[in-house]
Amino acid sequence: SAVISQKPSRDICQRGTSLTIQCQVDSQVTMMFWYRQQPGQSLTLIATANQGSEATYESGFVIDKFPISRPNLTFSTLTVSNMSPEDSSIYLCSVITGDSPLHFGNGTRLTVT
Amino acid sequence: GEDVEQSLFLSVREGDSSVINCTYTDSSSTYLYWYKQEPGAGLQLLTYIFSNMDMKQDQRLTVLLNKKDKHLSLRIADTQTGDSAIYFCAHSGSARQLTFGSGTQLTVLP
Repeated sequence: SAVISQKPSRDICQRGTSLTIQCQVDSQVTMMFWYRQQPGQSLTLIATANQGSEATYESGFVIDKFPISRPNLTFSTLTVSNMSPEDSSIYLCSVITGDSPLHFGNGTRLTVT
Repeated sequence: GEDVEQSLFLSVREGDSSVINCTYTDSSSTYLYWYKQEPGAGLQLLTYIFSNMDMKQDQRLTVLLNKKDKHLSLRIADTQTGDSAIYFCAHSGSARQLTFGSGTQLTVLP
């Protein structure tokens, strides 16, 4: 399966600032997704990262708050903009290659103070 | 109700079998998955099953799928302390995005 590297692994940020999370895969993948896991909760899909075009956002998530880039088949970024304490979560990159099931990176643990 | 439902907690004795249950509502589900999350870690894919199968075995893990009742279970044989974690059931359709259950916290007692 693909090796997924996510950076940073954790960060503590002040409210009002923005953080960009990077996801790098060691091989070309078919699909890339970004999920959020709020404290003590399950995972919620934020968006599908589309190569060379705007991401497809799920209900409740907007591009101004969570801009996503995917310039090629192996790399994507998620930015959490104008952060508030409610954005404190684990953000996870996930990928699908061909018919393989969904695999996750180790996540970015974000704390907003 | 929730799209994917799981019990929140399960405790078993070391060496016993664990059975974690999951029910879902989407009859168009194509793939059904079990993920494991240890404290402070990301999600590890444990196993998955296609919707046209009713059972899959992989070493200590057995997945049973009752498509009629939309019920999925994960059995862990000879449960060890290292199996203590949160286990998430998830399903996907043709779009490949996953819908997750709330997770079951498995505690293995010595």
